[in-house]
Amino acid sequence: QVQLQQWGAGLLKPSETLSLTCAVYGGSFGNSFWGWIRQPPGKGLEWIGDIWQSGRTYYNPSLKSRATLSVDPSKNQFSLTLASVTAADTAVYYCARGQYRRDAWGQGTLVTVS
Amino acid sequence: QSALTQPASVSGSPGQSITISCTGTSNDVGGYNYVSWYQQHPGKAPKVIIYDVTNRPSGVSHRFSGSKSGNTASLTISGLQAEDEADYHCSSYTSGTSWVFGGGTKLTVL
Repeated sequence: QVQLQQWGAGLLKPSETLSLTCAVYGGSFGNSFWGWIRQPPGKGLEWIGDIWQSGRTYYNPSLKSRATLSVDPSKNQFSLTLASVTAADTAVYYCARGQYRRDAWGQGTLVTVS
Repeated sequence: QSALTQPASVSGSPGQSITISCTGTSNDVGGYNYVSWYQQHPGKAPKVIIYDVTNRPSGVSHRFSGSKSGNTASLTISGLQAEDEADYHCSSYTSGTSWVFGGGTKLTVL
């Protein structure tokens, strides 16, 4: 059964760059979409973007100019960077597998911008 | 790309059935059969309970069912149980190869 484990800095200052990585264990890394979703405190989920194993990316238009997804199949890992963060980027960030059915999720990382 | 519209909260008594709506547009919910529903308990990651409008992943209770009519998708939970108390989020594919979520609905089991 696939498991996702994510990590990255939890406290950033405005204008800094958010960087998170998600490692995939116990399953095939190939033939899957891998994505990032965030959840501001007390609010709903927001899709950030997805990446195919080949590196093809899809982004939320509202974040496209600041978000970058990358993948390292040799390490079974994929990453998110979000540039020029502000307080509005404060949220729990999740990595997940799939698009039509996001059936595996990381544990979540609270990122606070202050 | 606007968030899908869900009621902020719903409630029901054990054994009852409840339905949560998820309203979008012809560019998302109404245009594609790619609506999914996620259950999220406090402090936990979301868990998919419905995908492709009506499909249940293996291991998800048959008490959960999904449907769609026009631009509105619905999640029905029958035989409410205390463990169903959670937040529920809908998601849909949208034109432009994007995905959008709803604002989430808090279900209270009375």
